[in-house]
Amino acid sequence: AQKVTQAQTEISVVEKEDVTLDCVYETRDTTYYLFWYKQPPSGELVFLIRRNSFDEQNEISGRYSWNFQKSTSSFNFTITASQVVDSAVYFCALSDNFGNEKLTFGTGTRLTIIP
Amino acid sequence: DTAVSQTPKYLVTQMGNDKSIKCEQNLGHDTMYWYKQDSKKFLKIMFSYNNKELIINETVPNRFSPKSPDKAHLNLHINSLELGDSAVYFCASSQDRGSVRQGVTQYFGPGTRLLVL
Repeated sequence: AQKVTQAQTEISVVEKEDVTLDCVYETRDTTYYLFWYKQPPSGELVFLIRRNSFDEQNEISGRYSWNFQKSTSSFNFTITASQVVDSAVYFCALSDNFGNEKLTFGTGTRLTIIP
Repeated sequence: DTAVSQTPKYLVTQMGNDKSIKCEQNLGHDTMYWYKQDSKKFLKIMFSYNNKELIINETVPNRFSPKSPDKAHLNLHINSLELGDSAVYFCASSQDRGSVRQGVTQYFGPGTRLLVL
């Protein structure tokens, strides 16, 4: 069975600080896909990134970066120079079958950026 | 040019009523999903349809019945609503099959907040 653990329930940081959100996953599949979604206070779910199990290259997109480590089954998300607009609940998710079947979500991390 | 849309956005109703939530996607995707987000923000898949065929049904009560009139629409009908059905329901869609190396992404609608009184 697949499982995603986001051990950090809530994090608060002061604006401009860097923050890392942890995600640890479990799966018996050799091919799988990892995702991060953002849920701002307005409630929608916004796709941030997809990473497949073949590709352990880290990715950077502006202030966002992701560190995928297969050896520790982790896919952590770092926000650099945080801003108030980053305040949201962030979900890590896992899927197999090209990502075309069910997403198994973690329980989310509520990030609050204090101005 | 909304990609995945849901109606209504809010739904307040009495216990025992029957209600429907509609979902439409204009992305040309073949697969659509319903997820439920409970009061603790936990997200769980309910159903998935591929080209109008049910492919995932995750131990959801029979009172929930998805219907897909075409591959751009996936509606959710709920009979005899119960207090525990109060939640946010998200529709999502994705391409049929990506490549193994690329995978596919599920894109979510804005959610429907259902409150059963």
